[in-house]
Amino acid sequence: SQQGEEDPQALSIQEGENATMNCSYKTSINNLQWYRQNSGRGLVHLILIRSNEREKHSGRLRVTLDTSKKSSSLLITASRAADTASYFCATAGSGGSYIPTFGRGTSLIVHP
Amino acid sequence: EAGVAQSPRYKIIEKRQSVAFWCNPISGHATLYWYQQILGQGPKLLIQFQNNGVVDDSQLPKDRFSAERLKGVDSTLKIQPAKLEDSAVYLCASSLTSGSIYEQYFGPGTRLTVT
Repeated sequence: SQQGEEDPQALSIQEGENATMNCSYKTSINNLQWYRQNSGRGLVHLILIRSNEREKHSGRLRVTLDTSKKSSSLLITASRAADTASYFCATAGSGGSYIPTFGRGTSLIVHP
Repeated sequence: EAGVAQSPRYKIIEKRQSVAFWCNPISGHATLYWYQQILGQGPKLLIQFQNNGVVDDSQLPKDRFSAERLKGVDSTLKIQPAKLEDSAVYLCASSLTSGSIYEQYFGPGTRLTVT
C-alpha cells in the first residue's frame, strides 16, 4: 500500500511564484524523501529529511516535517518553467521496512 | 559518475507475449530495485536485490513476472505472458545501502505498452 499521499494532486502557477506541496502519511517513519519526475524521465532525488529533523533546505527547496501531524511540505521558491514536473514524497521506516514507499504525486505546472 | 542505465526505453507488445527489460546500476551499488509505475500513480516496488540475493519480492506477481541479478551487477526483469494491465513504466533504481537511509538513483525507465 502507498503510505504517503500528496496534496494537491495538481498545481498551476506562474513563473516566479512559490509552490507548496504537502504530503501526509499514516504510520511512524524513519525518514521522508521528496523526488521529482519530469515528463519522460526517471525520478530524481531532491531531499531527505529524517524523523528527528524539522526542516531542511537545498537551494530553492525547503522541506518541513511535522511528525506529530504526520505531514511534510515541500516549498519551491521563485519557481521556474523548468520546475514543471511531478513531485513525489516517499516514506521509509514504517513497519520495519526502510524501502521508500511512494505516494501518487503532485503535478506542478509553472507557466512562463 | 554514470547513472543507472535501462533498455529498451520503449516496448510495444501484444498480450500473452513475453518481454524482458535490462538494468545496469551505478557501479558499486549493492542494492537494486525494480518498480512499476502505472500512469497517474507513484512507483510501486516489485523486487529488491542485495547483491545477487532477493531481499523483498512480496509485490512481484510471480506467476508472470521474474527477475534475476546474476553476479550482483546487471539485472533483468521478465514478463511472460503479458497482460493489458502490465502497461506501465518499469523503473530500475540502485543505492548504496547505508544503514537505514536509502537514497535511490533511478534510471530513465522502460515504457511498456501491451495491446
